[in-house]
Amino acid sequence: EADIYQTPRYLVIGTGKKITLECSQTMGHDKMYWYQQDPGMELHLIHYSYGVNSTEKGDLSSESTVSRIRTEHFPLTLESARPSHTSQYLCASSQGKSYTFGSGTRLTVV
Amino acid sequence: AQTVTQSQPEMSVQEAETVTLSCTYDTSENNYYLFWYKQPPSRQMILVIRQEAYKQQNATENRFSVNFQKAAKSFSLKISDSQLGDTAMYFCAFMPYLSSSGSARQLTFGSGTQLTVLP
Repeated sequence: EADIYQTPRYLVIGTGKKITLECSQTMGHDKMYWYQQDPGMELHLIHYSYGVNSTEKGDLSSESTVSRIRTEHFPLTLESARPSHTSQYLCASSQGKSYTFGSGTRLTVV
Repeated sequence: AQTVTQSQPEMSVQEAETVTLSCTYDTSENNYYLFWYKQPPSRQMILVIRQEAYKQQNATENRFSVNFQKAAKSFSLKISDSQLGDTAMYFCAFMPYLSSSGSARQLTFGSGTQLTVLP
């Protein structure tokens, strides 16, 4: 049973639109992550946070931004969506060696 | 920096048979964790099994077991008595015991192996 929730599950949006992908967890984990999963299915870390008001960029450069105002909430925002942003975005949280993943958001920019 | 390599993009196995998925990694760390995750078509990433590098004993979880060879930096997954529900993409992943920042510990994933269990 997932304790980390991502919405929406699917999103089709036009070029130039601003979008926010939501991620919330109920486990009280300090650390949260955003991974981008490309069509070849490989996952790349794009953002992470180790607590409220702390965010860092991951290994893969991304035009998205994140915020962490509350422990349970870690939204990802694209100010102006482009077709190159079409991908799956997976949110995760961790405590110690335990990671929990959300179900992902499949984003298509047309 | 760590790298994780899965050299088998696709594999198939007959139901009830055994299959082994390969994974190698490269790291200068001495203490770390290794994972196998399963991602079925529903896309939820599910933990299959975890291995602590300081433990010599190979981890097992029911039909799933690993062959961890620390010196060779090899971490293969064996699935026994394969079931149709095992059909999924399988990812090998690495996490350092301590991060360089002392805080968030990132997972580094391999490119995945698509496993299909045939009836």
